[in-house]
Amino acid sequence: EVQLVESGGGLVQPGGSLRLSCAASGFTFSSYWMHWVRQAPGKGLVWVSRINSDGSSTSYADSVKGRFTISRDNAKNTLYLQMNSLRAEDTAVYYCARGFSSFDYWGQGTLVTVSS
Amino acid sequence: QSALTQPASVSGSPGQSITISCTGTSSDVGSYNLVSWYQQHPGKAPKLMIYEVSKRPSGVSNRFSGSKSGNTASLTISGLQAEDEADYYCCSYAGSAWVFGGGTKLTVL
Repeated sequence: EVQLVESGGGLVQPGGSLRLSCAASGFTFSSYWMHWVRQAPGKGLVWVSRINSDGSSTSYADSVKGRFTISRDNAKNTLYLQMNSLRAEDTAVYYCARGFSSFDYWGQGTLVTVSS
Repeated sequence: QSALTQPASVSGSPGQSITISCTGTSSDVGSYNLVSWYQQHPGKAPKLMIYEVSKRPSGVSNRFSGSKSGNTASLTISGLQAEDEADYYCCSYAGSAWVFGGGTKLTVL
């Protein structure tokens, strides 16, 4: 059974940093692109970032470019999102998702709250 | 990376059919047959319902179908059931990035 489990969310002050993790199981993690998608409270889904299967290629939404870094450790079956210079508007549930052109499996999400 | 345009809400009675539109541009929906649709119930993670415009993942009811014409994609749900009440999001590949629609709340009357 495919499972994606996010962790690392919490309360952080504006300008602070946080690293999210997504532990994958039930499939060959190293064969799949992975993504982060976020959802602000009461709002819609927003794609954040993508990494290819071996970690050699990444892309980001304009809103997070230069502040967030996606990475992966295929030996540990884990996806990461390093978030720096956090802003109030980054407050959201962050989901990791598997897929190439679409997202076929999602984690349950982890809440990040940016507030003083 | 502007969001795709979806109606904020649609409604229908059990047994009826509804269609949700998703309008993008020639840089996303119009350029790629890589439109997907997601169903999200309150407090839950999204679930893939349609990928590559019209393909259904294993386990998704054939009451769900997708199509595309030009810069607009559509999701049709036939034989509406109470459990279809949820938020629906379209998504398109946009050349090294992905863009979602704002979401449509489906109410089953």
